[in-house]
Order: sequence, then structure tokens, then C-alpha cells
Amino acid sequence: GENVEQHPSTLSVQEGDSAVIKCTYSDSASNYFPWYKQELGKRPQLIIDIRSNVGEKKDQRIAVTLNKTAKHFSLHITETQPEDSAVYFCAASPYPPGNTPLVFGKGTRLSVIA
Amino acid sequence: DVKVTQSSRYLVKRTGEKVFLECVQDMDHENMFWYRQDPGLGLRLIYFSYDVKMKEKGDIPEGYSVSREKKERFSLILESASTNQTSMYLCASSAHRDTYYEQYFGPGTRLTVT
Repeated sequence: GENVEQHPSTLSVQEGDSAVIKCTYSDSASNYFPWYKQELGKRPQLIIDIRSNVGEKKDQRIAVTLNKTAKHFSLHITETQPEDSAVYFCAASPYPPGNTPLVFGKGTRLSVIA
Repeated sequence: DVKVTQSSRYLVKRTGEKVFLECVQDMDHENMFWYRQDPGLGLRLIYFSYDVKMKEKGDIPEGYSVSREKKERFSLILESASTNQTSMYLCASSAHRDTYYEQYFGPGTRLTVT
């Protein structure tokens, strides 16, 4: 089955700097890669996703890149702000996922220091 | 706006008690999931269901069972609660459609077993 590894487990950056979180996956059949953000005391929410027919996707200050050959994908946050502080989870699944659940990484706790 | 609700935010139970955690979604989603969240371990899938009366084991089903008698409701049952089941439990739902697969999470139930 699929296995998703996520690094680092914790990350501290100064406000305004960039943050990068990396994930690797094992199943070459996976082709849908979402990222979820969980603020303290809140539920996880989807912030961006990418499918294997696309190498990069951007949404304002966040971007995700995918390297299918190397089986890794990354989340990039530029010009970090205190409200970016949260736990971020990457995930992988086939697409369309049908009855196959997402496999999540263990999460990265990002702290943005003002 | 998708709503996923869980029956309790906080629950305290004694060892050996039977515990029911309820999850309800209002978007006619086919898929529903139960996760357990522990620090450093991320989101671990307990059970999921892709249709009424259907259930599939996730990564950590031992000590748990589930019930899905209606499409909108997915129940997690701890037959005999133990202290190692003290955790945050998150329910989620998603549509079974080709073009949209966002998982919507409930607010979570923090269960303490004493």
C-alpha cells in the first residue's frame, strides 16, 4: 500500500521568509496530492492540491510542486505571516480516488516568528 | 457550505465502557472516514465507508467498529474503552465524483478514557 513520508516534522521561520515542506510517496499509481492545514484547535482544511498531469500549481503565496519520477512533492509558502503558523499535512491517493482513501503524512508543525 | 458535525467536542469515559462517537454530514457525500489524531503520529485512518452499510478497515481498526445505516451518519464504536484509546477523533466526508475530492473534516471529539 501507499506510504507517505513528510519532512521536517517541525519548522520555524522568521516572518517574511519562505517555508518548504517536502513529502515522498511510494505508490507510482498515486496521482492526486492534496495539502491540508490545521490551525491550533481547528479542523484540517484543504489549502491546495495537485494532480499528476501538472508539475506546479500556485495560489497566491502558496505553491505545490510535483516530481513524479522521483515520487516527491513539496509545499512552498512565500512571505510567511503569523497566520501561516499551523500543522500542515500532505497526502496521496490515486485519481480519481473512488473508494481509495487518502494516505496522509505525519504532519509538519510550522511556526512563523514575528 | 459543507457541514460535518460530531456529537461531542469533549468526552470522558471509564475503562471498559462502550463508547459511541457520532458524525453527521449534510452534503450527501458518499464517503465517510474516521481518523485518530495523536501528537507526532498524524492522522491515522481507523475505518471508512463509501456507501451505506459498507465499511472498510483502515490502518488501525483494532478495538473499534463502525456503523453506517444512513448516508449522512457514520458512527464509531469503542466496544470496551481502554486508556490507550485516549485521543482526538476526527470524522471526515467526501464526494465520490471524478472532479472533486476534498475531504471535509468535523471539529473533532477529544476522548479521555480513565
